Amino acid sequence: KQEVTQIPAALSVPEGENLVLNCSFTDSAIYNLQWFRQDPGKGLTSLLLIQSSQREQTSGRLNASLDKSSGRSTLYIAASQPGDSATYLCAVRPRNTDKLIFGTGTRLQVFP
Amino acid sequence: NAGVTQTPKFRILKIGQSMTLQCTQDMNHNYMYWYRQDPGMGLKLIYYSVGAGITDKGEVPNGYNVSRSTTEDFPLRLELAAPSQTSVYFCASSYDGVGRMNTEAFFGQGTRLTVV
Repeated sequence: KQEVTQIPAALSVPEGENLVLNCSFTDSAIYNLQWFRQDPGKGLTSLLLIQSSQREQTSGRLNASLDKSSGRSTLYIAASQPGDSATYLCAVRPRNTDKLIFGTGTRLQVFP
Repeated sequence: NAGVTQTPKFRILKIGQSMTLQCTQDMNHNYMYWYRQDPGMGLKLIYYSVGAGITDKGEVPNGYNVSRSTTEDFPLRLELAAPSQTSVYFCASSYDGVGRMNTEAFFGQGTRLTVV
């Protein structure tokens, strides 16, 4: 059974820091991995999708990497800003099901 | 494109009442999902559908029903509401084509349901 873990559960950093969020999954047989952002009381916004054949994807200050063999993905946020404060979730699409499996998220606070 | 639209945004139900949470998407996606999110927890899959006329159970289907008569709509039905169903419900959709590598999922804004 595929399980997805995100560490740390919460993170508080000063503005301007570069930071890394971690996502681990137990079964490397996946189609892709997706990172989402969720603001309090809101829905999920897709940030980046990494296909299983890819090693990284970039969008602006965000860079996501994928190491399928070790079951890990990282989301790198450069020069963090208070507007980056949100919960970040990763989700994998396993090859043996039609489901999308989520981690429990990392709650990020960036203070001025 | 409106994307994934959920209605209502908020609802308070009494124990034993029933209701339908509506979800519609205008992206011609074949896959649709219903998740619930409890405070401090991740998203748990309730039901999903891989196409019109096809539905399947997720992790936590008890107390819910779904139907998928069209590609666009995927309503979630609560028949006898219980306090344990107090949660935020999210609908999502994706297009799963050949290869299935690029199946980006899109989410609605959620329905916040309280059962009292």
